[in-house]
Amino acid sequence: SQQGEEDPQALSIQEGENATMNCSYKTSINNLQWYRQNSGRGLVHLILIRSNEREKHSGRLRVTLDTSKKSSSLLITASRAADTASYFCATDAYNNNDMRFGAGTRLTVKP
Amino acid sequence: NAGVTQTPKFQVLKTGQSMTLQCAQDMNHEYMSWYRQDPGMGLRLIHYSVGAGITDQGEVPNGYNVSRSTTEDFPLRLLSAAPSQTSVYFCASSYTDEQFFGPGTRLTVL
Repeated sequence: SQQGEEDPQALSIQEGENATMNCSYKTSINNLQWYRQNSGRGLVHLILIRSNEREKHSGRLRVTLDTSKKSSSLLITASRAADTASYFCATDAYNNNDMRFGAGTRLTVKP
Repeated sequence: NAGVTQTPKFQVLKTGQSMTLQCAQDMNHEYMSWYRQDPGMGLRLIHYSVGAGITDQGEVPNGYNVSRSTTEDFPLRLLSAAPSQTSVYFCASSYTDEQFFGPGTRLTVL
């Protein structure tokens, strides 16, 4: 069964706006990762946050983790048309070698 | 470095046929995995390997076999293809937590 559930399923914004995507999961984790997938391509790792961290930044990306609510959010600031992609969260809830992905959020950034 | 490579990119099979999806990585990663991605769903783990000679089942292993004779290669075998196996298949490798994904194989089973 899927471990992570992203929300919303789809998001459409204008270039320059911020985009926020959420991920909820069911069981305890060691870390949570976010990946991006451009149409027809493989996934690309964006950022990892460990269970003892609450917030992490990487360029225009900001990830938060609330283990009490079993949820994470990915914020993309000052979005660009090139950010158009699907974004997935993944957790290692079952064991360190068994990553479970959510169904993803499809982000469209209009120029 | 070529990273993670997958062949073929596209494949059409008839029900009952067998085939092997190839995956190779040149990063000397111990961990390799196979996922399938169906429309509207995230990736589901089929099998994974933590090193040569070691494999284990993921979330959806039925109908698939794997082996890991070398660090570089991790082929996925479909012994008797079924329409339910129509999907896009991704191979990935990792050294620590970050996984590096191949470009995928789009498989259609008629």
